[in-house]
Amino acid sequence: DGGITQSPKYLFRKEGQNVTLSCEQNLNHDAMYWYRQDPGQGLRLIYYSQIVNDFQKGDIAEGYSVSREKKESFPLTVTSAQKNPTAFYLCASSIGVSWREGHEDTQYFGPGTRLTVL
Amino acid sequence: SQQGEEDPQALSIQEGENATMNCSYKTSINNLQWYRQNSGRGLVHLILIRSNEREKHSGRLRVTLDTSKKSSSLLITASRAADTASYFCATDGGKETSGSRLTFGEGTQLTVNP
Repeated sequence: DGGITQSPKYLFRKEGQNVTLSCEQNLNHDAMYWYRQDPGQGLRLIYYSQIVNDFQKGDIAEGYSVSREKKESFPLTVTSAQKNPTAFYLCASSIGVSWREGHEDTQYFGPGTRLTVL
Repeated sequence: SQQGEEDPQALSIQEGENATMNCSYKTSINNLQWYRQNSGRGLVHLILIRSNEREKHSGRLRVTLDTSKKSSSLLITASRAADTASYFCATDGGKETSGSRLTFGEGTQLTVNP
């Protein structure tokens, strides 16, 4: 059963703590993405990775860090430097590096992690 | 500013009616995609239209694209209560962005009343 999973579904963080959100896919996709969604808002890109051992900052990378040591996994760490981390975090994957101009590269999303700062 | 912006922000209709949502964008694109999000869930891809296409159909969905106006519309015909969700357009930014990165709009919240 192929897909993309995120854990945990709900996460609570105390002030000053770092927390790591998990994202795993078994779709054999090269590209993976992390988005943040605030209530009633669209998605904002935090980080993305087009291939193993490589990643780029998105539009709101400050206070976040990622790693891409395995093709299947793209964990996101929310550091204490992120001043307003309460949000819904979505991970996605796509075929990626086989993308070429005109290729239809759609994104597949996980179910999300809701992070709340206490 | 946002690459993709949807209009209206919220739409409430009766079951059986048609729902139309619009999306405007600013830069050139290779393709434009529409996604759906049920409350508290991840997004699901609905349909993709390429920059050289003007209209595309998929079941009860009809998407149009006007690259001269940098706009797209999503029409859902004969709506059902189960269509209640948020709908987002996403653009790839054409040659100005790398790889398969997408930029999402703010979304339209559609409510279909039974």
